[in-house]
Parts: sequence; structure tokens; C-alpha cells
Amino acid sequence: EAGVTQSPRYAVLQEGQAVSFWCDPISGHDTLYWYQQPRDQGPQLLVYFRDEAVIDNSQLPSDRFSAVRPKGTNSTLKIQSAKQGDTATYLCASSLAGQDTQYFGPGTRLLVL
Amino acid sequence: AQSVTQPDARVTVSEGASLQLRCKYSSSVTPYLFWYVQYPRQGLQLLLKYYSGDPVVQGVNGFEAEFSKSNSSFHLRKASVHWSDSAVYFCAVSMNSNYQLIWGSGTKLIIKP
Repeated sequence: EAGVTQSPRYAVLQEGQAVSFWCDPISGHDTLYWYQQPRDQGPQLLVYFRDEAVIDNSQLPSDRFSAVRPKGTNSTLKIQSAKQGDTATYLCASSLAGQDTQYFGPGTRLLVL
Repeated sequence: AQSVTQPDARVTVSEGASLQLRCKYSSSVTPYLFWYVQYPRQGLQLLLKYYSGDPVVQGVNGFEAEFSKSNSSFHLRKASVHWSDSAVYFCAVSMNSNYQLIWGSGTKLIIKP
């Protein structure tokens, strides 16, 4: 069974540029999470979905960040105008609703210059 | 507010020695408790979890953890470490059945030959 896949693995941007991250969860997993993990810190939840619905996006900086999961499978996280403070690894995880274990992808490492 | 503290940013032990990584949480109720491991360039992987019952739980690769309600702690242990255990270890807690995780800042484990 394939795990959670993410692309790209790395991204380097100038401030003000836009970037999109893509996540393909484990097949059949209805819950999908996006986390931001700054260097030497733990993950911080940005948003999570159950199927195509956003369940909690309270930690998503909505003025520049957006996330969608239109068919309840793959998901895209977009940063409209990146800032140096966005430098971090962006993690995607998936799980089955009601199950406690989240399965993580390898992450996308973003560097904003 | 709930929080998780991992007081040791780095721990160095000799191969074959025993290990304890510390985790303390702050919560008005007993949360669900997790330890995850992050190997270089890989996604986070679940080591073990605790909900209730026997306060000592067994995980993969010889790891175990002990829950202490009186100390609000969930320390991770291993009797004899191997060089392949070198990684960053994260403690996480969940306060509800949606399993939204609150993460500690991680402890980097360095194994000396």
C-alpha cells in the first residue's frame, strides 16, 4: 500500500512569490491534515479536512494561505505571497475518521529568501 | 490551554545504553498520548500510544512509555539503543476524539558509537 506522497520535496522562493504544495493521502483515508513545522520545532496544525469539507482552518493565515480538497482525495496548499517567516517544512498526514493514528508524508521543505 | 513540553532538545547516549526521553503535558483531563519518531528525510511515524489502562505501553523497535497521571508525564524509554535509533522524537497529545494533535518541540537523539 502506498503511503502519503507529497510534492515537491523542496522549494526555494523569493519573498512575494506564490507556491503550491500537493498531497496524495493513503487510499481510502477520509481525513487529511496540513501542518507547518518550523526548523527545530514540532508540527503545528494549519487545516484539516474530512472528505472535501474543511473541519478546522482556524490556524491557517487566511490572508495568504489557502487549502482545498475538492474531491475528498488529493489536496493542495497554496501560499499566495510568501514571506521569510513561512520558511518551514510543510507536512501532510491522513487518517481514517475515528482512528487515532495519522500517517505522514515526507514533507515539502520551503525556503523563502 | 493544553501544552506539551519536551525539556531536552538534544540527548546523547552511547550505543547499547538505556534511554529516557521526557515529555510533560498540561491538561485539565487525561489526554490521549502519543510518541512519534522522525528519521532524516522521512515522514513522522507512530511509535506508541496510550489511552487508558496499564500505564506502561509497548511500542515498535523495543520502545516503551510510561504514563504518570500524578506527574502529568509520558516518558519514552528503551533498554538498549542502536545507532539506527538516531532521529528526532516527538511527544503529542490529543484532547478529543477528533484526534487533533498538540505537539512538543521534539528531542533529537544522538547515538555515540
